[in-house]
Amino acid sequence: QKEVEQNSGPLSVPEGAIASLNCTYSDRGSQSFFWYRQYSGKSPELIMFIYSNGDKEDGRFTAQLNKASQYVSLLIRDSQPSDSATYLCAVNRGSQGNLIFGKGTKLSVKP
Amino acid sequence: DAGITQSPRHKVTETGTPVTLRCHQTENHRYMYWYRQDPGHGLRLIHYSYGVKDTDKGEVSDGYSVSRSKTEDFLLTLESATSSQTSVYFCATRPDGNYGYTFGSGTRLTVV
Repeated sequence: QKEVEQNSGPLSVPEGAIASLNCTYSDRGSQSFFWYRQYSGKSPELIMFIYSNGDKEDGRFTAQLNKASQYVSLLIRDSQPSDSATYLCAVNRGSQGNLIFGKGTKLSVKP
Repeated sequence: DAGITQSPRHKVTETGTPVTLRCHQTENHRYMYWYRQDPGHGLRLIHYSYGVKDTDKGEVSDGYSVSRSKTEDFLLTLESATSSQTSVYFCATRPDGNYGYTFGSGTRLTVV
């Protein structure tokens, strides 16, 4: 099993809909979970992080964490064409806090 | 932004030549990282540093070395470039106590 798994997509949603992005991880010792957005040809940009079970909201974005199921998700409400990008899930590992990244899910928001 | 600058932005080099990529940060962060990103593989850690002269290997370190003689600079060297090292290389930093990375703009390296 890969350490961090994401559905590669593409995930296509209409403008204004909720986009749901999912991620599973294998290391039960992981404590910190991150979502990055990467536009084509650009560098990854941190958009959300979550440490505790439950939901964390920031504007149109909600991160959800379930450590028992080793599952992290990102919900994007009122999706906009500008949200079209690849979303990377990252999980910390080890005492130095190195991040292990999933391969990313490509999201396309159609006008 | 954490003030991270990578140089060069693009480079084409020949097989067998040494290549050095530079990452410069102005935030005084102790932690710095080098990742490569390839289609089908995502971001993979090459080397990281947790202080001046303190470095360690990541999951894909073969053929790469690093040096950190100053807090602000983290150099990645391909000792003898191979075509399999054609990739986009990202540097990242993070402050103590916060594991969220900030990435540089990347270096696109082509080995011919």
